Amino acid sequence: QVQLQESGPGLVKPSGTLSLTCAVSGGSISTSNWWSWVRQPPGKGLEWIGEISHSGTTNYNPSLESRVTISVDTSKNQFSLKLNSVTAADTAVYYCAREGYDFSGYYRYFDFWGQGNLVTVSS
Amino acid sequence: DIQMTQSPSSLSASVGDRVIITCQASQGIGYFLNWYQQKPGKAPKLLIYGASNLETGVPSRFSGSRSGTDFTFTISSLEPEDIATYYCQQHYSLRTFGQGTKVEIK
Repeated sequence: QVQLQESGPGLVKPSGTLSLTCAVSGGSISTSNWWSWVRQPPGKGLEWIGEISHSGTTNYNPSLESRVTISVDTSKNQFSLKLNSVTAADTAVYYCAREGYDFSGYYRYFDFWGQGNLVTVSS
Repeated sequence: DIQMTQSPSSLSASVGDRVIITCQASQGIGYFLNWYQQKPGKAPKLLIYGASNLETGVPSRFSGSRSGTDFTFTISSLEPEDIATYYCQQHYSLRTFGQGTKVEIK
């Protein structure tokens, strides 16, 4: 059973950089799956941030693309998120998730999630 | 960018009621639509993928369908444990979630 665990500071100062890591256990990150970050501001809905493949190919949400970097470290079986120039609007629970696929490979979906890491942007 | 318009934002229903949630895509996305359930303080849980395919282990009272760019999620008979927020999500181009529907017991 794949498990994901986010880690990182719970408090970041405005204009600073938010950095989180997602450790993957119970399976290798070097598979055909893609690995995503999703966030959820308190009391609000889910927002997809971006994704990375094990080879390092990335796709980002256009609304965040100028501030986001997602990277992967296959030797440590983990991937990371950096979001710079943060403001209070970036306060959220940040989830990492694996995107799996059905037997045909046609349909993709988030099948494994971390427990979430609340990051507050405040001075 | 593909936008997903989900409605209603909240609903209140009685145990045993049929509950219907809709999601409309801003452009064609085929069947590349998933539904998730999220309970407070928990990560989302996949219920349906490919618009109408039930994830393994998910009760059969949950179902989904597609008509063009309109998608419907149905709980045939609401159970107390179904109290949660439900989200649609497209994976045709990048990834986008709907705004969510909070389901409460009347």
